[in-house]
Amino acid sequence: DQQVKQNSPSLSVQEGRISILNCDYTNSMFDYFLWYKKYPAEGPTFLISISSIKDKNEDGRFTVFLNKSAKHLSLHIVPSQPGDSAVYFCAASEYSGGGADGLTFGKGTHLIIQP
Amino acid sequence: DTGVSQNPRHKITKRGQNVTFRCDPISEHNRLYWYRQTLGQGPEFLTYFQNEAQLEKSRLLSDRFSAERPKGSFSTLEIQRTEQGDSAMYLCASSLSQGVGYGYTFGSGTRLTVV
Repeated sequence: DQQVKQNSPSLSVQEGRISILNCDYTNSMFDYFLWYKKYPAEGPTFLISISSIKDKNEDGRFTVFLNKSAKHLSLHIVPSQPGDSAVYFCAASEYSGGGADGLTFGKGTHLIIQP
Repeated sequence: DTGVSQNPRHKITKRGQNVTFRCDPISEHNRLYWYRQTLGQGPEFLTYFQNEAQLEKSRLLSDRFSAERPKGSFSTLEIQRTEQGDSAMYLCASSLSQGVGYGYTFGSGTRLTVV
């Protein structure tokens, strides 16, 4: 049973436009959400996170939105750049304090930025 | 510090053999995690350590798997009597006990192929 779902295996966006990656979750006990970016032959790299007490967190070109009632979060990248082409994983945790325990990851979305 | 280091990068083994992987975390990180990633899936949590204590183990960690972190520094993951289903990328990550929002730092992984 997939508790974190990324329903789009791939997404193609033109350079300079907005990329929107979506993630849905089913476990209402999740209270911390993270996005990771992964290039081929490398481990995932932490991008941005959001606590369940917030509905938005912004870091430069990256913004994560959380809709708790819909159990949905999204990652916005504006403007999209060629170096953003990678696989993006959504992850969730039931613990928001005292350290990072086991994360539950989605299957990932392959973002392709076209020139 | 060059980040989280994993060795070897690749391992090919015959079914039934034992294999051991090593992870060297970022030196000041007290938490260390093992994940497994198979093709088309996101990373799946296996186990984690705080210093030398193994605090949580996933049900994915069968009796054939054992992980150690003897002095709270590097960690090893051993798989005994390997099966073809063990073929995967094994990822190690580390973090400080500052809250899950800081994310983990992942290594580049060890790719295991069981033939």
